[in-house]
Amino acid sequence: AQKITQTQPGMFVQEKEAVTLDCTYDTSDPSYGLFWYKQPSSGEMIFLIYQGSYDQQNATEGRYSLNFQKARKSANLVISASQLGDSAMYFCAMRDDTGNQFYFGTGTSLTVIP
Amino acid sequence: DAGVIQSPRHEVTEMGQEVTLRCKPISGHDYLFWYRQTMMRGLELLIYFNNNVPIDDSGMPEDRFSAKMPNASFSTLKIQPSEPRDSAVYFCASSLRLAGVEQFFGPGTRLTVL
Repeated sequence: AQKITQTQPGMFVQEKEAVTLDCTYDTSDPSYGLFWYKQPSSGEMIFLIYQGSYDQQNATEGRYSLNFQKARKSANLVISASQLGDSAMYFCAMRDDTGNQFYFGTGTSLTVIP
Repeated sequence: DAGVIQSPRHEVTEMGQEVTLRCKPISGHDYLFWYRQTMMRGLELLIYFNNNVPIDDSGMPEDRFSAKMPNASFSTLKIQPSEPRDSAVYFCASSLRLAGVEQFFGPGTRLTVL
């Protein structure tokens, strides 16, 4: 079964606008972590933001915030004030306590339009 | 710290040849992961180690693939014999303990098998 689902293969956003990238996850563990990574065209994987399953507040890191809805098992990434440099692939990932490994989604390709 | 180091960055070889990819994790990290990324299959976990011990190798495609971690600062992924369908970007990543800690990715090795 898919542990991480990203249903948007591609997204477009106007520069300076906000965009939400969807991510849903599947786990029965009470303790888990959710992560977002950015992969620009250069290929490296860049960690953006983390949300713990017990965290009461949504994580924020600069222009990135994570809209964590535990009951719905969703962990959407919100990028505010999009910049051209935000154009990249974005991967949602989860780490639970069962396998100790990371599960990645298939990614969303974001294009920021000037 | 220099981050996760992978070598070579690019490898072009002919079908049937042996290929060895190398990884040096971040010092002190006790988890090491090998991933393969292709357009068709996305990011796939091949194998991961904890304290130099392979924990889950269920993602290794077939017997042609093998991975070792002889010590805490070095791991290899070997393909013998290589085939054109092995062409991909291979990432190594490392992390500290379990939940709450992100993976740090290396720059990847782009493998082309002719």
